[in-house]
Amino acid sequence: GAVVSQHPSWVICKSGTSVKIECRSLDFQATTMFWYRQFPKQSLMLMATSNEGSKATYEQGVEKDKFLINHASLTLSTLTVTSAHPEDSSFYICSCDRSYNYEQYFGPGTRLTVT
Amino acid sequence: AQRVTQPEKLLSVFKGAPVELKCNYSYSGSPELFWYVQYSRQRLQLLLRHISRESIKGFTADLNKGETSFHLKKPFAQEEDSAMYYCALSPPRETSGSRLTFGEGTQLTVNP
Repeated sequence: GAVVSQHPSWVICKSGTSVKIECRSLDFQATTMFWYRQFPKQSLMLMATSNEGSKATYEQGVEKDKFLINHASLTLSTLTVTSAHPEDSSFYICSCDRSYNYEQYFGPGTRLTVT
Repeated sequence: AQRVTQPEKLLSVFKGAPVELKCNYSYSGSPELFWYVQYSRQRLQLLLRHISRESIKGFTADLNKGETSFHLKKPFAQEEDSAMYYCALSPPRETSGSRLTFGEGTQLTVNP
């Protein structure tokens, strides 16, 4: 149990376009979902925390108008990278929190390349 | 501010040798500490957490509040232990759930 999926697994887009990444908890309800960014050979950097039905809480330095997060249900959160630029190219990972044990379960990640 | 430091980016040992991956943290209070592992081409997964006080795949980690450390140890490394290991910290769950701060990670290679 506790499987988290992300879609797409990789995406290439042109500068100026927007890209949406989905994160789903497949077999449990997630009270909280997290979005991370990971640069090559670097650690995960928390971007934002989202709770179902409320606005996401963004970490310092993360542009909320650029990285739009919607957490519409207990099993789905989306991250939209708006007006993407090459510097947004990265590996984006989501995780879901099971409230009863506060353990985070991670998705496989989405590789975004902006050309 | 909370911070997790893993001083070694790369660690290489031979099969059967003991291994210790270092982790130091800074936090005002009593955080929860975790070790996550990422095997090649796989997603990040929880290895162990300090509150469980359990041994997973032969690994143990002891929280030393005096030294603010949470080093990961295994007495006899196996080749399948080769992976990226991340130490992570979260505030006490009752304050803000499970928001994690990760260290930079240590790439462990176990040679035959």
